[in-house]
Amino acid sequence: DQQVKQNSPSLSVQEGRISILNCDYTNSMFDYFLWYKKYPAEGPTFLISISSIKDKNEDGRFTVFLNKSAKHLSLHIVPSQPGDSAVYFCAASDQTSGSRLTFGEGTQLTVNP
Amino acid sequence: DAEITQSPRHKITETGRQVTLACHQTWNHNNMFWYRQDLGHGLRLIHYSYGVHDTNKGEVSDGYSVSRSNTEDLPLTLESAASSQTSVYFCASGTSGTDTQYFGPGTRLTVL
Repeated sequence: DQQVKQNSPSLSVQEGRISILNCDYTNSMFDYFLWYKKYPAEGPTFLISISSIKDKNEDGRFTVFLNKSAKHLSLHIVPSQPGDSAVYFCAASDQTSGSRLTFGEGTQLTVNP
Repeated sequence: DAEITQSPRHKITETGRQVTLACHQTWNHNNMFWYRQDLGHGLRLIHYSYGVHDTNKGEVSDGYSVSRSNTEDLPLTLESAASSQTSVYFCASGTSGTDTQYFGPGTRLTVL
């Protein structure tokens, strides 16, 4: 039972354009969502998060949008840069999970120069 | 600077052998987690700990064990390695009250 799903295994965009990575969840108890970025041969690094009391959180070129009614979140990267090429994981938690995270499968983003 | 390290970074072993993967963090975090990453599955939780002498099973705990004798370390043991345990293993840590976790660089384990 995959509670967090990233339906696109890969995404390719041109440098300077917008990258949109999507994530869907099924557990209505999830109230905190995170995005992690992972380069090859490295561990995931925290990128940005959003609480369920918000519908948008922005940090520089990165913005996360949350649509609770659709159980959907997205990560926007504007403008995209070649250094953004990595695997992006979305993750979710709820108040009963004790800081445990449930991760999606990941999306490989490739930004072409 | 505080960090989280894993050793070894690469390990090749044979079916049936016992293997221990080390995880050490200097963040002084109470919470520590072990995940495995497999294509198509993302990161799946193996075991986790909320403090010294506390251990809990995650969603894919069969064949694995952990022990927490101090704050800094959470070694992961494969009692009898199986080919299905070939994977990349990540350790993570975090503070109580926040869900953000900080990950180590990973250990690539191959079981032949």
